[in-house]
Order: sequence, then structure tokens, then C-alpha cells
Amino acid sequence: SQQGEEDPQALSIQEGENATMNCSYKTSINNLQWYRQNSGRGLVHLILIRSNEREKHSGRLRVTLDTSKKSSSLLITASRAADTASYFCATGMDSGYALNFGKGTSLLVTP
Amino acid sequence: NAGVMQNPRHLVRRRGQEARLRCSPMKGHSHVYWYRQLPEEGLKFMVYLQKENIIDESGMPKERFSAEFPKEGPSILRIQQVVRGDSAAYFCASSQLGDKNTEAFFGQGTRLTVV
Repeated sequence: SQQGEEDPQALSIQEGENATMNCSYKTSINNLQWYRQNSGRGLVHLILIRSNEREKHSGRLRVTLDTSKKSSSLLITASRAADTASYFCATGMDSGYALNFGKGTSLLVTP
Repeated sequence: NAGVMQNPRHLVRRRGQEARLRCSPMKGHSHVYWYRQLPEEGLKFMVYLQKENIIDESGMPKERFSAEFPKEGPSILRIQQVVRGDSAAYFCASSQLGDKNTEAFFGQGTRLTVV
């Protein structure tokens, strides 16, 4: 399976702290994407990073990609209670159109 | 511009019945993807369709499952003779282009429960 794997499975922090989630994958990718899912809801696209990019920023989000280690990280700075959700990484391959999702990291931000 | 619309949001079917899940892509989007999410799991790709064409169905079970995206109307994911193991959340996503580096927008999902 080419499924990504997020680490940790669950993360609990206080408001204002930074949250870091990691994703590892097994084969070469075309791109890697991070999504957020609130409980019982659909997925919200956060960031797409291409295989030839190393870092990308969007507001309080910072994503890095290390293709030599086949890993990516998502950093949320100055977290808020509203950031509480599950975060998934998904890898897009050169062949096919499927996004391969990991099982997600469940983030809890307490006031 | 409404997002990706899926209906119904919740669907309960008895074993052996048929389930029909609908997905209306975002306006202007002609590429539709279906994914399935089991409890505590990530999403698993099922099928990718363009208008009137199935492009990639590598994730579709060989039997009982079918999908279509007609020229007019929503995309339909059809599950015949449902079994308990089909209980899951089914998500549809759409994109404007079939480019792999294009963002896909997801709907709220249909939660299927087979009793």
C-alpha cells in the first residue's frame, strides 16, 4: 500500500501552543496534500505541496516535504480551539488519480 | 457558488437493499471522485469520473458497486444488495481540472448504515 501514515495518532495541546504532525509514505509521489476534517463533516483542503517543493506556508500553517526521507510535516502555529479536528495527509502519485490518505492525527486544542 | 453537494447526508438500508448516493460537483467542475471512509480510518479512493466517462475505477469493489456521471445531473454511486460491511461514510470530491496537482473540494459525505 502507498498509504501515508500520520504521527502521532492523537495530540492534545493548549491554545497558543504549536502543533506538529508528521506524515510518512512509501513510494515516489507527485504531490502531498494536507486536509482537515471536523467531526462528522467533510474534508477541507489545507495545502498542496509538489514533489519538487520543500516548504510551503499558508497563514498559520507551515508544511515541509522531504522526499529523501519520504516524509512531510504540518505545523500549526499559535493554535486555537477551532483548530480541533482530524488532520490527514494524502499523497498523489504520478500514475493514477487516486489520493492515498493516512489514518489521520486527531488534534485537540483546549482553551 | 455552492460547494460539493451530497445527498442524502444519512442513509439507512437493510441488508440486500440498494443504496444510491448522489453527488453534485461544484459549478464548473467536470471531474468527480468518490472515496469511502470506514470508522477511525482514512479515506480510500474508489473511482474517478469525468462527464459520461469512468477514468479510473481501480478502487471499486468488483461486484455490487457502480458509478456514473451522466451528461446531465449528479454523479451516482450505486451499491446493490448492501451488506453490513458497506456501512461507511462515502465522500465525493470535485475538481475543475483532471490535473493531479489541482485541489479537490470535498462534500459533507453520505453516512450509510446497513442494518
